[in-house]
Amino acid sequence: SQQGEEDPQALSIQEGENATMNCSYKTSINNLQWYRQNSGRGLVHLILIRSNEREKHSGRLRVTLDTSKKSSSLLITASRAADTASYFCATDVQAGTALIFGKGTTLSVSS
Amino acid sequence: GAVVSQHPSWVICKSGTSVKIECRSLDFQATTMFWYRQFPKQSLMLMATSNEGSKATYEQGVEKDKFLINHASLTLSTLTVTSAHPEDSSFYICSALITGVRNTIYFGEGSWLTVV
Repeated sequence: SQQGEEDPQALSIQEGENATMNCSYKTSINNLQWYRQNSGRGLVHLILIRSNEREKHSGRLRVTLDTSKKSSSLLITASRAADTASYFCATDVQAGTALIFGKGTTLSVSS
Repeated sequence: GAVVSQHPSWVICKSGTSVKIECRSLDFQATTMFWYRQFPKQSLMLMATSNEGSKATYEQGVEKDKFLINHASLTLSTLTVTSAHPEDSSFYICSALITGVRNTIYFGEGSWLTVV
């Protein structure tokens, strides 16, 4: 089962530009998390935002959560070539349950 | 370092054979683990929830007789792909749940399965 959609599906930008990815989900959630996945590799956890939080920052990452719209956005500022990867949002409906992933956004940052 | 170890990282097997993938929690006990499958250029799809000492709960559309899950100890869950076929070729990834004040999920590094 898939919780929702990310958009865009693919994003190509130049180094130094900002990248914004959006995630929508269908059900009420406990937490929303963002992960990065380099091609053919495992997941790297980026950031977790709780359902009662609206915004969170971590380094060059900024995540927002709008539970009324059931959506979240991930902003990567001053992007680097090393940010090239697929990005997924994942939600759990209740603490201790499985994470359900969105379809992902493939980000390509060219130097 | 890794808190969830998955083995093997990649495996090639012949069509019709079975292959086992292990997921181990390191330094903690995990009563619940989750198994996902990811086809190339697609997202992770939850296959099943594995609970220590009980039968796994499979997601709709996942054949429980084909994907055998065993969670015999608090640190180990295994996924056995039985009678593998080329269409089972995929990236399989597990995660383990640490329960507590704030439940935390850790992912393994994943296992690439190629069936030839």
